[in-house]
Amino acid sequence: QQQVKQSPQSLIVQKGGISIINCAYENTAFDYFPWYQQFPGKGPALLIAIRPDVSEKKEGRFTISFNKSAKQFSLHIMDSQPGDSATYFCAARRGSTLGRLYFGRGTQLTVWP
Amino acid sequence: SQTIHQWPATLVQPVGSPLSLECTVEGTSNPNLYWYRQAAGRGLQLLFYSVGIGQISSEVPQNLSASRPQDRQFILSSKKLLLSDSGFYLCAWRKAQTDTQYFGPGTRLTVL
Repeated sequence: QQQVKQSPQSLIVQKGGISIINCAYENTAFDYFPWYQQFPGKGPALLIAIRPDVSEKKEGRFTISFNKSAKQFSLHIMDSQPGDSATYFCAARRGSTLGRLYFGRGTQLTVWP
Repeated sequence: SQTIHQWPATLVQPVGSPLSLECTVEGTSNPNLYWYRQAAGRGLQLLFYSVGIGQISSEVPQNLSASRPQDRQFILSSKKLLLSDSGFYLCAWRKAQTDTQYFGPGTRLTVL
């Protein structure tokens, strides 16, 4: 059973546009929600993360919006650039003891120049 | 600063052969360690995690095993590889009781 559902599977955006990736979860025990960015042939790298007591977090062009009641969170990439072309994964974690992350299936983002 | 290493970077193995992938973390002690497999379009699947030497938890019963012979070393093994074992294997670590998991560069395994 997929604990975290991510959409869309792929996304094509023009340079300068806004990229939006959505994730949904069911387990209300999740307490930490990171987004990872992965370039081809490389390991994922943490991009930005949020906890459920905050509705929005912004770091540069990247923003997480979190809706606790709807059990949804999304990544917004403002002014998308060709260098943002990568695969993005959302994840959720239940408790900090073991740090087990549940990942979405990923979104392949392509930004056209 | 902390660094995570994986080797080999790429590996091509015949069906039925053994496997040993190694992951080493530098610059920290007693990290939590994780092995993931990534298949195209299926995200990251957690295979094993470890909170200390000799302590291994398995998430998915399969053809693979893991060991942690030293504090900062995590090994993924198989006695006989299957075609379905092909994939991108990622090791990750995090400092206990903190949030961030840091991933290694990965090993691309092709089983022929």
